[in-house]
Amino acid sequence: QSALTQPASVSGSPGQSITISCTGTSSDVGGYTYVSWYQQHPGKAPKLIIYDVSNRPSGVSNRFSGSKSGNTASLTISGLQAEDEADYYCNSYTFSNTVVFGGGTKLTVL
Amino acid sequence: EVQLVQSGAEVKKPGESLKISCKGSGYSFTNYWIGWVRQMPGKGLQWMGIIYPGDSDTRYSPSFQGQVTISADRSISTAYLQWNSLKASDTAIYFCARQGQYMATLDYWGQGTLVTVSS
Repeated sequence: QSALTQPASVSGSPGQSITISCTGTSSDVGGYTYVSWYQQHPGKAPKLIIYDVSNRPSGVSNRFSGSKSGNTASLTISGLQAEDEADYYCNSYTFSNTVVFGGGTKLTVL
Repeated sequence: EVQLVQSGAEVKKPGESLKISCKGSGYSFTNYWIGWVRQMPGKGLQWMGIIYPGDSDTRYSPSFQGQVTISADRSISTAYLQWNSLKASDTAIYFCARQGQYMATLDYWGQGTLVTVSS
């Protein structure tokens, strides 16, 4: 069970938009709508920001959006703000009734 | 308010056993899966396994099967993660998290428990 593939780092300037990809296989990302995204600030617990590919929990900014095409899910953050600087992780349900995370992406706001 | 409160930091020696806990409150503990996630120093999140406290149905990641034991005591709304013989490579922060309505959706997280294994 390999980790989902995410870019190690992305960066953007305040106000810009960035997209983080999360690539798996037809046995996980491609086979289910059960893809979630999490934001983790240093020293803190992760926070759910997107679930079921594109849904936002109550209280999460609408600057965060999710999508999926084939075996790749994506998280887009629009109108970048300094507070968005964090690590981002995707996860997916798998055909073996388990869950797999991506390796994580460090977002730097320039 | 949904809360998951984990037990405190632990310092152990290689070969020792350990059981850490995660107490849920503010929701029906028996009706939601509770998962465990490892984060080694400076590294990413790794899904270890999950338990349904209602009937103790448990699933493990292949990477952690046989290495740890996940259990729950629904009478006190608490889930556990247990090791029989710790290794230095078990040094990490361990998070518990509630799985919400959708599979793989970890909607509420504990604060994390730091486990340090060193001789």
